[in-house]
Parts: sequence; structure tokens; C-alpha cells
Amino acid sequence: KNEVEQSPQNLTAQEGEFITINCSYSVGISALHWLQQHPGGGIVSLFMLSSGKKKHGRLIATINIQEKHSSLHITASHPRDSAVYICAVRKGDYGGSQGNLIFGKGTKLSVKP
Amino acid sequence: KAGVTQTPRYLIKTRGQQVTLSCSPISGHRSVSWYQQTPGQGLQFLFEYFSETQRNKGNFPGRFSGRQFSNSRSEMNVSTLELGDSALYLCASRHGTARSYEQYFGPGTRLTVT
Repeated sequence: KNEVEQSPQNLTAQEGEFITINCSYSVGISALHWLQQHPGGGIVSLFMLSSGKKKHGRLIATINIQEKHSSLHITASHPRDSAVYICAVRKGDYGGSQGNLIFGKGTKLSVKP
Repeated sequence: KAGVTQTPRYLIKTRGQQVTLSCSPISGHRSVSWYQQTPGQGLQFLFEYFSETQRNKGNFPGRFSGRQFSNSRSEMNVSTLELGDSALYLCASRHGTARSYEQYFGPGTRLTVT
């Protein structure tokens, strides 16, 4: 079993819909990242979370450390949100290193106009 | 500020050859990490450099190596290429503390091994 699981693997939505992508992990972590990867490969770091909730524009990320679960929400989805969304957890405690980043397999989101 | 740049963007090599990929971080960023992305394994951490020192290395064979120069530019080298090394290689630079940092990815180098 992978240490980081994302669901769903694929998601198709209509423009304007509210979208939720889930990430569950099985190890102790110090932080969780949400990344966005567009076709062509470029990756953008969306959020780094260690507790609670963060919001940036139409994107909201939450984390529940006790339940080892995080969600990424997109409100009023738009075709330009179409991308692969990747969850990554930083295993263990803070140590200044990225060496223990473990990635989920990603969720491919397609938003239709 | 210019973003993270990687060269070359595309590369085709033959099995057994070696390859060197280059990454220039955002000005002022001293930490550079490398990742490999394949359809089967997804994203995997390769190594991280900070101030010319390797801080950590992922679970990859010794054929994969890297270094960082005094200007924070980094290179990674893969020797004796195998077909399975075909992948997108991404580097990322960051600034901030361990508890809170911004990480910026380069566009990647797509390596094809034939």
C-alpha cells in the first residue's frame, strides 16, 4: 500500500462546479504540499500545510493531522484549472531537508466548458 | 525575477551513455532539489543540495549523482543510462525556513533513452 493515496485518480467536472480532491497518508508528517502540474510538465506549488486551512483565490486546502487526511477544494471551477493535482507529504519532523518528500500518484482534473 | 531554468529541455541518449542536466535556481535561493517523474512511479525525490552540500539523497542507484556550485547552480549526472531512466527530471529551488518555505519548480528536462 502506498504511503500517500489520492482520490479520485481522474475527475471530470463542468465549469462552475465545486471540486474536492482527497489525500490520505499513513506516516507521521511535518507538512503536506499540494502541487499543480499542467500538460507539458510544469509544476506549481500551491500550498504547504502543517495544520488547519489555507486559501488562495478559488483554492482551499485543509488538513486533519489526527485523521491523516487533506483535501484540496476548487470553487467555481474553470477549464484553466484542468491539470494534475499532486499531494506530497514530508515524512518525519522538521529537519530542513526535502529528502523525505513522498508523492501521491496525482489526480487528473478535466473541467469542461 | 527569473524563474528556475533547466537545460536542456529535451534530450535523447542511447543506453550506456551518460548525461548531465543543469539547473539554475532563482536568484538568492540556496536550496536545489531534483526529482524524477515517470508514468509508472510518479514523482520521486532524487537529491537536495544546500550551499554546495548534498543534504539528502533518495533511493536511487549510484549512477545518479549531482553537485552544486558556489553560485547555487546545480547539475545532475546519470551514467551508464538504462531504458528505465527515461523520465522528466525536475529541479526546484526554495527559500524560507524548514517550517515555511516557497518552492519553485523548473520546466523540467525530458530525457529519452533508446
